[in-house]
Formats: sequence, C-alpha cells, structure tokens
Amino acid sequence: EVQLVESGGGLVQPGGSLRVSCAASGFTFSSYEMDWVRQAPGKGLEWVSYISSSGGSIYYADSVKGRFTISRDNAKNALYLQMNSLRAEDTAIYYCARVVSGSYHYVDYWGQGTLVTVSS
Amino acid sequence: QPVLTQSSSASASLGSSVKLTCTLSSGHSSYIIAWHQQQPGKAPRYLMKLESSGSYNKGSGVPDRFSGSSSGADRYLTISNLQSDDEADYYCETWGSNTRGVFGGGTKLTVL
Repeated sequence: EVQLVESGGGLVQPGGSLRVSCAASGFTFSSYEMDWVRQAPGKGLEWVSYISSSGGSIYYADSVKGRFTISRDNAKNALYLQMNSLRAEDTAIYYCARVVSGSYHYVDYWGQGTLVTVSS
Repeated sequence: QPVLTQSSSASASLGSSVKLTCTLSSGHSSYIIAWHQQQPGKAPRYLMKLESSGSYNKGSGVPDRFSGSSSGADRYLTISNLQSDDEADYYCETWGSNTRGVFGGGTKLTVL
C-alpha cells in the first residue's frame, strides 16, 4: 500500500524558516517523481514544486521561487521542502504527492498533509 | 500555460447522476487532465486520468459509479447513483509546457 506521511508543520513567525518532510513507503520511491501541493485555509489546491526521480530536475511555482527548496533522499525514501522567508500567505496545508509522468504529469497518490501557519 | 476552469458549485439529488466540467483554455484542448476528490476535512484523493479521446484510467478503489468523458476542450466527471459521501470538492489538474502544475478552482458538490 502506497503511503505518504508528512511531518514538520507548525507555527512560524513571518520571515522565519521551516522544513517539512514526507516519508514514503509501499512503492519504489527512487523511481517516482514527486510534487508538493498546498492548500490555504478555505481555498483550492495550489501546485508548489516538483522534483524528478533522481533530483536532477526541479521546478517551482513563481510564488515560492527563490524562497523554497525541494529535495529528496532516495536512500531514506524521503522528500523535503525547505521554506525560508515565510510570509503570511504561505499559511496552508502542505501535501506531498506522488506523480505519474510521461507525456503528461499528474498526481496519483496524496499524503494526509501537514499544516504550516505563518503568524506573529 | 493552460488554465483550467470549473464551476464553483453543483448540486444533485441522492441516487441521481451529476456531470462536472473542467474546461481547458484555448490552445490546450489536447491536454490530459486528472480528477481529484476532496471530502470535507480530508486530503485529496486521485480519481482518474482523462485523455482528450475520452479514455480514462481510474485510481485504485474508485467505484464504478465514477466515469470520465471528453469533448473538445471540456473534460467531464460523471458520478452516477449519487451517495451522501460523494459530497465533496472536485478538482481537475494538468501540467503546463512551462513546467508548472495547474489546478482548477474546484467544484463544490452538494448532494441533496
């Protein structure tokens, strides 16, 4: 059974930093591309970042580029999102998501999410 | 960069059928999309991948009551024999050639 379990969320002050993690199991993590997707309170889903299976290709939404860094450790079956210079508008549930790709790209499994709150 | 447009809300009666629409912006009518369901207070759940041909592949455990179809730039999710736990937000998703993920604004489905 595919499982994605996020952790590391919490309350952080504006301008601060936080790293959220995702522990993957039930599939060959090193063979899959991964996304981070977030959802602000009462709002829709927003794609945040992508990383290829090897970590060699990385993309970001314009809203987080230069502040967030996605990474992975295939030996530990783990995905990370380092978030710096956090703003109130970054407050959201952050979901780790497994990606199916080819001539397309979509999420086929979601984690349960971890809440990040940016507030003084 | 494709834009996905969804109606903000829809409603249908228990036991009936409903067809939700996701419309791709001009020039992107060939794009594959995915449909996701998000029940209140829960994480999203993948429902299906849907191609421009109307061919679809559902995720593990998705009931037969869920089906997909396409017409031009429109991608449809049809739910038949509506159940109370189908009341949820439904999102479509695609990927832009500029290497950015895209989600529609979501449709809130109410089961009457």
